[in-house]
Amino acid sequence: ETGVTQTPRHLVMGMTNKKSLKCEQHLGHNAMYWYKQSAKKPLELMFVYSLEERVENNSVPSRFSPECPNSSHLFLHLHTLQPEDSALYLCASSQDPSGAGEKLFFGSGTQLSVL
Amino acid sequence: LAKTTQPISMDSYEGQEVNITCSHNNIATNDYITWYQQFPSQGPRFIIQGYKTKVTNEVASLFIPADRKSSTLSLPRVSLSDTAVYYCLVRGTSYGKLTFGQGTILTVHP
Repeated sequence: ETGVTQTPRHLVMGMTNKKSLKCEQHLGHNAMYWYKQSAKKPLELMFVYSLEERVENNSVPSRFSPECPNSSHLFLHLHTLQPEDSALYLCASSQDPSGAGEKLFFGSGTQLSVL
Repeated sequence: LAKTTQPISMDSYEGQEVNITCSHNNIATNDYITWYQQFPSQGPRFIIQGYKTKVTNEVASLFIPADRKSSTLSLPRVSLSDTAVYYCLVRGTSYGKLTFGQGTILTVHP
């Protein structure tokens, strides 16, 4: 148990559906992250939030919409996805994104399949 | 952000010591070196972190030479359950990005 919980663990959706991924951290951290990991590829950073403010957006398509209502919760809203968006979506948290030697704590991820 | 280079894959046998080296030639003065382990369909898990010389914890050791342009993760007496992908990250106080490289796929054989 890493202190970061993601739900759901698995999600299958059609291209016209709207769904949301949820992440909750119980570590008292100030920063939260969304990463995407496609099959046999390294992790791709999508979004970074620090104290509920988005500080990084790595040219992610608008069909992915993040939301951070407070420092403990992070959402990723999905709509009109494409089959190539099928991947493992990982949430992580850290104490301070600008701190030297920052350590990330990851959830178990949501395995998303887009049909 | 310092770029890192690791071997794509390594093979070992149960009970052996495994050393995975990461090159980071343009490491900055305030950068730390952190290693993560990832199993299939799970998020990466922090293993060990260091700044210089040697660091040891209950699962691994990290060796960092004086010039800090490389680091070596040492896993003593590996078991089948150590089969995973291992990532080396180098980062200082830059705001935001924590970008993972390709990682090293370690396969431990019986």
